[in-house]
Order: sequence, then structure tokens, then C-alpha cells
Amino acid sequence: DTGVSQDPRHKITKRGQNVTFRCDPISEHNRLYWYRQTLGQGPEFLTYFQNEAQLEKSRLLSDRFSAERPKGSFSTLEIQRTEQGDSAMYLCASSLVPGQDYGYTFGSGTRLTVV
Amino acid sequence: TQLLEQSPQFLSIQEGENLTVYCNSSSVFSSLQWYRQEPGEGPVLLVTVVTGGEVKKLKRLTFQFGDARKDSSLHITAAQPGDTGLYLCAGARIQGAQKLVFGQGTRLTINP
Repeated sequence: DTGVSQDPRHKITKRGQNVTFRCDPISEHNRLYWYRQTLGQGPEFLTYFQNEAQLEKSRLLSDRFSAERPKGSFSTLEIQRTEQGDSAMYLCASSLVPGQDYGYTFGSGTRLTVV
Repeated sequence: TQLLEQSPQFLSIQEGENLTVYCNSSSVFSSLQWYRQEPGEGPVLLVTVVTGGEVKKLKRLTFQFGDARKDSSLHITAAQPGDTGLYLCAGARIQGAQKLVFGQGTRLTINP
């Protein structure tokens, strides 16, 4: 297993366009998280899945954002009608429950630039 | 409002010096983790502390969880240029928490 994979690594899009990101977690991990990180800040929680169920969504996740994890494997995060304020690094992480150390394994992220 | 406050936000020191980074909160955490992040990459887990007063060592890095489980520190001995990076603390409010709350990070630069 090569860890958590995210695709694409970089995305430049025009304001108003829709974008979709993909995350492939570590295969035996049943929890998958999406975080957003802007320059100079720590990651902010967006949403998480346990298997295929989306169990929590942050208030940061407006109606333009939707995440799915069909079959409890990979996940997608879609942003509709992108705005310049959506520019950020979108990080995916996975973990095993129950995990004694509660540690996440993060992917390398998708850097989104909205122009 | 930042739930976890890290200090300092920026630190630039010479190779061989010692340093301490702090992570403070008014809230109690079930566990606290430290991550290091390189530019353009995701954070990498360094350590998790769970018990109040716990001390863990990772080579030249020493991590401590406060007795009241509200704060933590990271001490680096004889810093090396390879220690350069963004250090993030993150806390779980409840055991088995579904999400972590991150501090804003400490950007550390070790000059040769």
C-alpha cells in the first residue's frame, strides 16, 4: 500500500466552474476525512466518512460542496460554481477505527487555484 | 476563535540550537498529536500523546502533554536543517474522535 493518494495534485480553474477531487485511502482504513488548508493556517475539518456513511459535515461545507464515498473505498469532493475564496489545499486523510493513537495518514493534497 | 494556539508562529534559529514550540488551549483534549508538514505536501504524524503528563521522545524531539491535557510542547535538541518545516499540533476533543482540531502551526527554519 502506497498510502493515501490524491488526484489531481494541482488544479487551476476559472471562477464559476465545477471541480472534482479524488482520494484513495489506505485500503484497510475505514475512516476518511477531508480537510481544507489555506496559506499560513492549519487544516480545517470539512467532513468525514466511516465506511460509506458520511457522519459529519462542517459548517464550512456550503451547499456548493458535496462529498461521496461509494462502497466505502475512494472518495470524491466536488465543488460547484467555484469562487476565489475556495482557493486552498484540500487534504484527504484516513485512519483505522478503533485506532489507539488516533493518528491520521494524510495524502499530499490537491492545491486548488480559482482565477 | 482558534481552539489551539501555537507559539511562536515563526522561529528561525541556527543549527545546533535547542528550541521549544508550545500548543495551548483552554479546552481539555482526549489526545493530542503533532505533525510536520513540508511545502506542497500533507502533514505527517510524529506522535500522539494521550495521558496527562505523558512524555514521548522521538530521537532529538521530546513531546509533552500537560497534566490537565490542555496543552503540549515540542522540544528539539541540537536542531538540524532537516528539522525545517511547519509543525502542527492537533487535538481530539473526545476519545475516538471523528475529527481533529488543528493549531495554526509553527514555521521552523533551521539555518546551517
